[in-house]
Amino acid sequence: DGGITQSPKYLFRKEGQNVTLSCEQNLNHDAMYWYRQDPGQGLRLIYYSQIVNDFQKGDIAEGYSVSREKKESFPLTVTSAQKNPTAFYLCASRDRGREDTQYFGPGTRLTVL
Amino acid sequence: AQSVSQHNHHVILSEAASLELGCNYSYGGTVNLFWYVQYPGQHLQLLLKYFSGDPLVKGIKGFEAEFIKSKFSFNLRKPSVQWSDTAEYFCAVMTSGTYKYIFGTGTRLKVLA
Repeated sequence: DGGITQSPKYLFRKEGQNVTLSCEQNLNHDAMYWYRQDPGQGLRLIYYSQIVNDFQKGDIAEGYSVSREKKESFPLTVTSAQKNPTAFYLCASRDRGREDTQYFGPGTRLTVL
Repeated sequence: AQSVSQHNHHVILSEAASLELGCNYSYGGTVNLFWYVQYPGQHLQLLLKYFSGDPLVKGIKGFEAEFIKSKFSFNLRKPSVQWSDTAEYFCAVMTSGTYKYIFGTGTRLKVLA
């Protein structure tokens, strides 16, 4: 069963700690994306990667970092430099074969205490 | 900067009423346009998309959208809503060649039975 998995579903961290959110896909898509979803603000792009070992900053990259060592995986680290990290984080991949449709994971809700 | 505007933040309708959700974008070049839906507790999923050709596109569950290039709009319509259409709807734009998606702030639709 193909899809995108994000773990964990809920994550709690203390202020000042870095935390890494997992995103794995078995859809064989080259491109992957990280978004942040806040009430009333829609989805805002954090980072995206078109291919392994390459990634670009999105609109709100400050305080975040990513890596893309494998096609299947695109982990996001929320660093202590992110001023307002509590949010719902969504990972997606893009299917070039279906007119650039994005497929989304279930999301991780991060709460920083 | 490119942007996507969804003018209706909250919409409440009775079953069988007609729906139209507005979406406008600011970009003068070639775009791919998408509507995504997020049902309560579920992943974001694609409703419909415009890539090229006929500006009137039909999607799942009876939804359709019309791309009006001169108005930079891609409004979503459904002639008769159902209670199960209660969800949050997001318009998204991908500018050709960038593979970067810009989402609107979303519209929360509540359909009363």
